[in-house]
Amino acid sequence: QQQVKQSPQSLIVQKGGISIINCAYENTAFDYFPWYQQFPGKGPALLIAIRPDVSEKKEGRFTISFNKSAKQFSLHIMDSQPGDSATYFCAASSRSEKLVFGKGTKLTVNP
Amino acid sequence: NAGVTQTPKFQVLKTGQSMTLQCAQDMNHEYMSWYRQDPGMGLRLIHYSVGAGITDQGEVPNGYNVSRSTTEDFPLRLLSAAPSQTSVYFCASSYSMGGVYEQYFGPGTRLTVT
Repeated sequence: QQQVKQSPQSLIVQKGGISIINCAYENTAFDYFPWYQQFPGKGPALLIAIRPDVSEKKEGRFTISFNKSAKQFSLHIMDSQPGDSATYFCAASSRSEKLVFGKGTKLTVNP
Repeated sequence: NAGVTQTPKFQVLKTGQSMTLQCAQDMNHEYMSWYRQDPGMGLRLIHYSVGAGITDQGEVPNGYNVSRSTTEDFPLRLLSAAPSQTSVYFCASSYSMGGVYEQYFGPGTRLTVT
């Protein structure tokens, strides 16, 4: 059973547009929801993370929206740039060193 | 700090061969993990360690062994390589701050088993 479901698998956005990636989870014990960014040939790197006590967290052009009742969270990239082209993974954990990852979204931002 | 380092970067093995993927971190992190990444499958946890001398299985442990004799090193051993183990392997280390574990990933090892 996939614990974190991520959509879409791939996303193409024009420069300056908004990129939105969604994730849903089942385990209500999850209490930490990070997003990782991965460029080709590199390891994933932490982009932004949220705890369930807030509904939104913003860092620059990146925002996480969190809906606890719906068990969903999403990543919004405002003013998307070609340099944002990468694969994005959502993840979740419950006070544990073990992260459960979504399957990833390949984002392409066209110039 | 070098962060998390992995060697080799690329490896080709024949079916049945064994090898060890090396992972080292210089951040004094307690926790270390091994993941494999396959197209459309995301990152799947193979084995993890919460400290020197302590290891446990993740989601896909079959065919792999680990040990943790020091805080810095966490090697992954393939006992008898199979084509199904063709993948990109990532090592990660993390520390706990208020119950949150931020994971730092290495650059990966691309393994092909023929």
